[in-house]
Amino acid sequence: AQTVTQSQPEMSVQEAETVTLSCTYDTSESDYYLFWYKQPPSRQMILVIRQEAYKQQNATENRFSVNFQKAAKSFSLKISDSQLGDAAMYFCAYQIQGAQKLVFGQGTRLTINP
Amino acid sequence: DGGITQSPKYLFRKEGQNVTLSCEQNLNHDAMYWYRQDPGQGLRLIYYSQIVNDFQKGDIAEGYSVSREKKESFPLTVTSAQKNPTAFYLCASMDGGSYNEQFFGPGTRLTVL
Repeated sequence: AQTVTQSQPEMSVQEAETVTLSCTYDTSESDYYLFWYKQPPSRQMILVIRQEAYKQQNATENRFSVNFQKAAKSFSLKISDSQLGDAAMYFCAYQIQGAQKLVFGQGTRLTINP
Repeated sequence: DGGITQSPKYLFRKEGQNVTLSCEQNLNHDAMYWYRQDPGQGLRLIYYSQIVNDFQKGDIAEGYSVSREKKESFPLTVTSAQKNPTAFYLCASMDGGSYNEQFFGPGTRLTVL
């Protein structure tokens, strides 16, 4: 069975600093997608960034970037220049190519200290 | 504006009652999903539907039922057989194209009194 593990239940960072959230996953598949979703206090799930497993280049979206290590089954999220609005729960998720099901990790609560 | 709506935002139910949560999307997406979120946990898949008049059980389908009579609507019924229904419920949809991105609604908080 596919599983996603986020080993950091909570993280905190000073405003304007950089923080990295960890995610590992377990799969025997070779074609899949990885996602980071943000859930702010409003509880609306928002896609932050996605990575296709066949791409070696790490995805970036403005201040958000990932470190995708396929052999190690690791998919960490780096947030640069942290802002107060980044405070939220962050969920790592995995989806097999062609499948309908997203598998989520348990989440990391990120606090931004002013 | 295109998006997903869920209603109501808050729902209270007495034990032994069935209750239906609404999910509507105007994104013209084929696939729709229902997730349950408990405190300190990630999202768990209840049911999903890839096309109209077809749906599949997810990981925690017991005590829940769904229907998909229209492309834009995917209501979830929480039955009295669900022993611990108090949770936050999220509906999502996906277009099935190459991006595999699921779009989420704002959620419904269900509390059993």
